[in-house]
Amino acid sequence: DIQMTQSPSSMSASLGDTVTITCLASQDIGNYLSWYQQKPGKSPKLMIYGATNLEDGVPSRFSGSRSGSDYSLTINSLGYDDEGIYHCHQYYEYPLTFGSGTKLEIK
Amino acid sequence: EVQLVESGGGLVQPGRSMKLSCAASGFTFNNYDMAWVCQAPKKGLEWVATISYDGSSTYYRDSVKGRFTISRDNAKSTLYLQMDSLRSEDTATYYCARQGRPFDYWGQGVMVTVSS
Repeated sequence: DIQMTQSPSSMSASLGDTVTITCLASQDIGNYLSWYQQKPGKSPKLMIYGATNLEDGVPSRFSGSRSGSDYSLTINSLGYDDEGIYHCHQYYEYPLTFGSGTKLEIK
Repeated sequence: EVQLVESGGGLVQPGRSMKLSCAASGFTFNNYDMAWVCQAPKKGLEWVATISYDGSSTYYRDSVKGRFTISRDNAKSTLYLQMDSLRSEDTATYYCARQGRPFDYWGQGVMVTVSS
């Protein structure tokens, strides 16, 4: 199974900051990587797919990148609405797997 | 507007069965693979199972193989998850998801609690 090692597990940042969350894939997944945002008590929301593609309606402050087996989600100009848990996900092969999640708190 | 509405959750004893349903609307259901994803309390997301757009192929995580069955009725635009021999570790919120690029729409989730 492909393991997705996500870091950090939690972080706190201030309004206007830029933050980066990273996922390391245990084997090649090409660009079959997506990012989800989840608010408390809500279902996940697709933010990025294909490692770098912004889902319709997602603010351009969000971006995805890849460097080898490392995949990153960067959020610029943090706002209160960005608070939540972010999950990475590989859909290169079955079994589909997710990272363990990053809880982002806005100070 | 795409909508996925799950139903059928609740409290069930270990070893018993439960069937979840997911009613889809707002898109051409039989054009998409569909999936179930679960989330145990305070834990991360776990993919459970996927069914191809026409029902001809199914995929399961190892821990549910032989116990869970994913199916669909394209005429009714409905996805199902039959869960047998339930265990306490199956306790989670179960989400129905459209497997577009890849999980582009999710239901609101339904809670399944396995406890005596």
